[in-house]
Amino acid sequence: IAGITQAPTSQILAAGRRMTLRCTQDMRHNAMYWYRQDLGLGLRLIHYSNTAGTTGKGEVPDGYSVSRANTDDFPLTLASAVPSQTSVYFCASSDQAENTEAFFGQGTRLTVV
Amino acid sequence: GQNIDQPTEMTATEGAIVQINCTYQTSGFNGLFWYQQHAGEAPTFLSYNVLDGLEEKGRFSSFLSRSKGYSYLLLKELQMKDSASYLCAVRDSNYQLIWGAGTKLIIKP
Repeated sequence: IAGITQAPTSQILAAGRRMTLRCTQDMRHNAMYWYRQDLGLGLRLIHYSNTAGTTGKGEVPDGYSVSRANTDDFPLTLASAVPSQTSVYFCASSDQAENTEAFFGQGTRLTVV
Repeated sequence: GQNIDQPTEMTATEGAIVQINCTYQTSGFNGLFWYQQHAGEAPTFLSYNVLDGLEEKGRFSSFLSRSKGYSYLLLKELQMKDSASYLCAVRDSNYQLIWGAGTKLIIKP
């Protein structure tokens, strides 16, 4: 693994099903983030974690949950998917120092039908 | 509320110069970032400004005026591969990134 990896790359999911999007980083970054990106809108923060063992809600957390059991992994779970959750999901990580940028995974394209 | 504004789309000619503007209103300021995002790909980091002035990095430069809540990204000697979306993001007082919707840049030969 080099950098930050998401799985799956894409998924078609039936409404009402449960789904976990996986995210793993090997940069030992303390902060991790989940965003969704929809056409015409900026990246919107779903949940974040500033350090292992802690999580926080972002701008659009409803219908999503996260956990941060260790530094490397930050899975995002949709408990019961709905069509409005159709989006491209990006996981990102950063060192959270002032002048450090966030690094992004390649994204997961999720379609809920 | 917090807000980042940038033009939705711009068109420029190969070899020319283009300036993409970004204005922001956020709860606090801890730096401004520019990212490039090609269609179907993840955003990648271009530049970071925390103090007023110009930061130059090859063909790309970024300017910041904190008093005006304003930044621009300047791209020189445009190449076809520069066709992408350019995202402006501000780190607020909680160290969260607030993102603009992005500017789609179309380069014509």
